[in-house]
Formats: sequence, C-alpha cells, structure tokens
Amino acid sequence: DAKTTQPPSMDCAEGRAANLPCNHSTISGNEYVYWYRQIHSQGPQYIIHGLKNNETNEMASLIITEDRKSSTLILPHATLRDTAVYYCIVRVEGNAGNMLTFGGGTRLMVKP
Amino acid sequence: EADIYQTPRYLVIGTGKKITLECSQTMGHDKMYWYQQDPGMELHLIHYSYGVNSTEKGDLSSESTVSRIRTEHFPLTLESARPSHTSQYLCASSSDRGPYEQYFGPGTRLTVT
Repeated sequence: DAKTTQPPSMDCAEGRAANLPCNHSTISGNEYVYWYRQIHSQGPQYIIHGLKNNETNEMASLIITEDRKSSTLILPHATLRDTAVYYCIVRVEGNAGNMLTFGGGTRLMVKP
Repeated sequence: EADIYQTPRYLVIGTGKKITLECSQTMGHDKMYWYQQDPGMELHLIHYSYGVNSTEKGDLSSESTVSRIRTEHFPLTLESARPSHTSQYLCASSSDRGPYEQYFGPGTRLTVT
C-alpha cells in the first residue's frame, strides 16, 4: 500500500471548516484513499473513502486532486467533539485482508 | 454504532500472569484484527484472521497468540505477562462486502506491573 504524509498537528476554531491535507504521491491506480479518526483513548472510526471523485457523507467531504497525489478531508463545521487524530490511509479496496496501515496521522485540536 | 466489544476495558496485572483479552462482534464479519497502540503512538497490526481456524501474524512482532474457533470471537492471550506488554490493545472486524471499512472496539488498556 502507498505511503501517506500528513502534518502532525493542526488547530481549528469551533464552527469553522477544518481542512486536513494528505499527500500520497505514490498512489497506484487501484488504490483508494480512506480516512479514519481516533478520539482520545477510543478505537478508530471510519469517516469516508474515495477513488478519484470527490465524496461527501454526513460526517465529512473528501476532495481528491485530479492526479490523485493528494487529498483533503473537510469537516465543514468543526465542533469540540471533532478533536481527534485523523489518519489518511491508501490501499486497494477489498485487498485480501482489508488491511490498514496506520501512520502518525494529524492531531486536530478544535478550539472554542 | 458498530457491534464489536472488548473485555476487560482496563486490566492491571502482575508479571508472569496469563491473561486473555476478549473480543467479540455480532456483525458476522469474517475478518478480524488485533492492533497494539502505545500512548500517543501509531497503531500496529499484531494479528489478523480471515475466518474460522485462520490466524496470521501482523506487521509488528508480538508474544501474544490468538485463536478463531468461532466467527464472532477472536481472543488474544499472553501466556506470561511482562511490563513490556503494557499497552492498549484494539480489536477490529471488517466485512467482505464494500466499503470494507474496519469497525473497532473500544480497546483494552493493559498495565503489567
């Protein structure tokens, strides 16, 4: 699976959009971009994933660049409860073991 | 909410004791996983299973062992706990149908004194 690079930490004001970047310059054509988050001391939680089109669900939006070498997770109106570590992972969808390789992620701090 | 459970949530135990961390899921998922995570550090895959009677070692070497006798259960055992085993252990499962995301349990925080 391709390696990803994320900033180690970011701050965001409550109520504002949080834009979390991820670089995956070595992504292969059949690899998807997945985002998970981990709130302190809890298990990670799936947020969203995509291949090349932008995706939106009730939690977030995922913007993938045309060359697919980077992506941005957008939390449109961040709340204090969105404070967490956000992980960007690329992998082949439905690979034999559905494996995930977690990196360091981005620690997002939402401030009042 | 995902139906995956881990017990105990917290465990403090002395060196040399045998412990089993329980993980169960009610979603009928074939694939299950164990991760280890030290405070503030990355998650590392230590064991996984494709289904009943299937177990594999993950990326991070671990002295723990696992078993998969039933689809819904994936217990992790440490035969002789050591202080170096102090960590958080997270269990997860995933479906063979899309979108293939993993559902995580709440974790077991283990402290070996």
